Amino acid sequence: QVQLVESGGGVVQPGGSLRLSCAASGFTFSSYGMHWVRQAPGKGLEWVAFIRYDGSNKYYADSVKGRFTISRDNSKNTLYLQMNSLRAEDTAVYYCAKDQFAWNDGPDAFDIWGQGTMVTVSS
Amino acid sequence: QSALTQPASVSGSPGQSITISCTGTSSDVGGYNYVSWYQQHPGKAPKLMIYEVSNRPSGVSNRFSGSKSGNTASLTISGLQAEDEADYYCSSYTSSSTQGYVFGTGTKVTVL
Repeated sequence: QVQLVESGGGVVQPGGSLRLSCAASGFTFSSYGMHWVRQAPGKGLEWVAFIRYDGSNKYYADSVKGRFTISRDNSKNTLYLQMNSLRAEDTAVYYCAKDQFAWNDGPDAFDIWGQGTMVTVSS
Repeated sequence: QSALTQPASVSGSPGQSITISCTGTSSDVGGYNYVSWYQQHPGKAPKLMIYEVSNRPSGVSNRFSGSKSGNTASLTISGLQAEDEADYYCSSYTSSSTQGYVFGTGTKVTVL
């Protein structure tokens, strides 16, 4: 079945770095744009970043621009989020999610989500 | 990228209908028909319930419907059931500041 599995979360000190991974299965990963969405403890959802199905376009939320980098390896069916200069306010569950429609160059909905991986930024 | 505005909570009795509003601006909700709605049960990942304002994905109950007027989108749940108790978030494509998406503040639906 269609599945996304995140990994790489953990506890990191302010200013530190972490790389999250999202392993995809059950669909043609290289055909779909992918997103990272986060949720701070007890708070709402916040969109973080998007990468086009072929990796040619990337967009970021203002809150992470210049610190986070989204990337993908279509040969490994894996999405990544490199997080640098981490702050306490980056503490959240990080979800990866896929675009609903394949080969979509326009806006889309997020139809499949992973179970999330927790990132805690604390000294 | 300011969050879209939703009521913090909405409640209803089983069988009743409830409506959740989602208010944005002309740069997001009002400017594009790319509003989607997500249901999230405690400790679980969000689930897509409505896309492109009013379309239901396969497998989602027809008790869920969406609409939009101006800068405000709405999600209506008819025939409220116990399993509908969850948090609901709207989302919209936005062209403000940078291309991307913005979520709503979230609404806790309680089935009385």
